[in-house]
Amino acid sequence: AIAMTQSPSSVSASTGDRVTITCRASHDISSLLAWYQQKPGKAPELLIFQTSFLQSGVPSRFSGSGSGTDYALTISYLQSEDFATYYCQQYVSYPRTFGQGTKVEV
Amino acid sequence: EVQLLESGGALVQPGGSLKLSCEASGFTFSSHGMSWVRQAPGEGLEWVSTILNNAATYYTDSVKGRFTISRDNSRNVLSLQMNSLRAEDTAVYFCARDKYGSEDSWGQGTLVTVSS
Repeated sequence: AIAMTQSPSSVSASTGDRVTITCRASHDISSLLAWYQQKPGKAPELLIFQTSFLQSGVPSRFSGSGSGTDYALTISYLQSEDFATYYCQQYVSYPRTFGQGTKVEV
Repeated sequence: EVQLLESGGALVQPGGSLKLSCEASGFTFSSHGMSWVRQAPGEGLEWVSTILNNAATYYTDSVKGRFTISRDNSRNVLSLQMNSLRAEDTAVYFCARDKYGSEDSWGQGTLVTVSS
């Protein structure tokens, strides 16, 4: 199975900050990477698919980049509603695997 | 509007069985792959199983031989039959719609607790 390692596991930030979360795969995943946001007690929501494509309705302050084994999610101007936990997921092969999550907190 | 509604979660004893269902609406169910993803209390997300629109199925190693994913395209229902349940299967189970590998719509989840 492909292991996904996210960093940091948590980040303290303030509204207006620029936040970057990284995700490293144990093998080349050919840009088949998604990012999800999850708030407490809620289901995850898809933010970005195929590394950099924004899901419909997701604000443009979210962006994704990367290739090969190294990927990143950037929130360019943190808003109050962005405090949540973020997960990366590879889907190049089964089993699909998630990173362990990054909590963005005040 | 895409809607996914899970049901069937319960408290079950170790070694027991349970069947989860997910009723889908708002899209052409038969055209999409569907997945189950779980989240143990206080933990991260874990992909469990996917069934593609051609009925091909995939499982994470820890549930192979114990869980069976299936779909009924006539009723727009996704199912997960879970046998030989273990304490480590305790989690909220989410049903999700597949979008070329990512999961673009999720249900609210159903809680499975395996405990004596």
